[in-house]
This record gives sequence, C-alpha cells and structure tokens, in this order.
Amino acid sequence: NAGVMQNPRHLVRRRGQEARLRCSPMKGHSHVYWYRQLPEEGLKFMVYLQKENIIDESGMPKERFSAEFPKEGPSILRIQQVVRGDSAAYFCASSDRGTYSNQPQHFGDGTRLSIL
Amino acid sequence: AQSVTQLDSHVSVSEGTPVLLRCNYSSSYSPSLFWYVQHPNKGLQLLLKYTSAATLVKGINGFEAEFKKSETSFHLTKPSAHMSDAAEYFCVVSGGGGSQGNLIFGKGTKLSVKP
Repeated sequence: NAGVMQNPRHLVRRRGQEARLRCSPMKGHSHVYWYRQLPEEGLKFMVYLQKENIIDESGMPKERFSAEFPKEGPSILRIQQVVRGDSAAYFCASSDRGTYSNQPQHFGDGTRLSIL
Repeated sequence: AQSVTQLDSHVSVSEGTPVLLRCNYSSSYSPSLFWYVQHPNKGLQLLLKYTSAATLVKGINGFEAEFKKSETSFHLTKPSAHMSDAAEYFCVVSGGGGSQGNLIFGKGTKLSVKP
C-alpha cells in the first residue's frame, strides 16, 4: 500500500520538549500539506511544501513551529518547547500536483500529539 | 475569502433511510468543492469532488452531491444509509487565490446510523 504514511501514530511529550512528526507522501507525490485538528473542530491548514521549498505557510504559528520537506526523506513538522495547547491531531496530505490543478489531497491517518 | 458552513453538527438516521448532510459555501470565484469522510482515529478519505464539470457529482459508497450555485450549496446525499456510514463528514472548499495550498474545512457533521 503506497498511501500517505505518518509516524508516530501517537506521541506524548512533556511541556517544554520538542515534538517531531514525520510524513512520507504517496509514491510519486511531490506536494505535501500539514493540517491540525483540534477536538470538535475541522482541520486547519498549516503549511504547504514541495521538495525543499515552503510554498505557503500562512497557517503556521509564527513561533516554535517549523516544517521541512528535504530532497530525500520524509517531511518533518517540528514543534519546539511544546505547550498544552499544542495537543491535537496533526494530519499530513499529499498530491501529485498543486491545488491549482484541483487534484485531491490524500491524507494519512494522523499523529495524535498529547502534551502532559 | 472562501468558507464553508456545515449546517448540522450531528445527524442521526436509521439504517436503510436516506442521508442528507448540508453544506453551504462562500467563494469569490468558481470553487472546487470536496466531501471527505473520517472514521474514528483514521485519516480522511475523499468521497467526491466538484470542479466545475457536471453539477451532480457521484462519489464512492453510493454518495453523491449536487452543486447549486444559486443556493451556494453542496449537500451530500445517499439514498439508503448503511451502518458502516457512521463517521464524521467534512465539506471542504479549495482556498485558491493567494492561498495556494489551502483546503478550508467545515467543522464537520457526525453521522450516526441506528439499526
């Protein structure tokens, strides 16, 4: 199965620690998107990346959050000095072309981040 | 700016009866619209998409949606609910414009199916 793979599925961190969430897009996809889902809410867009480039980070908090999609390897969403409010489900999606092409995004099963 | 409003947070139907999940959108241009389904602790699966072709869109698992520009609606329907349809459903509009990567999600409708 060449679907979008996210790991870990569940991640527990204490306040002040760093969280790293990984996403491997579907085979052949070069566009990656990260979303955050808070309880009882829909998904909120965070960042859109192509290989080695951030295309749109308009939904990313200005501090503590960063994302990358290197030439080799998975995309990484990094949260530094986590706080309780970072507890959420983080979803990654990928597509083979950008959203202007109207291609749908394919989603992974998410990483559930819990902050103690 | 684009937005979607899902009019019901919860819908409960009996197995074998029709399903109607309502969605209204707001867009300054011709939008692309999607419905996604999310089963508990899983990712989102695309049910169907509208991209300015036919206004009646057929999706997977017997679902369909009709794009009505005059009503700015994109309601999701299914003639006969199955127990396996119990999940959360999201109406989504593509952000477009200056937001290249942006999918804008409604808050979701939880569908319960009673035996």
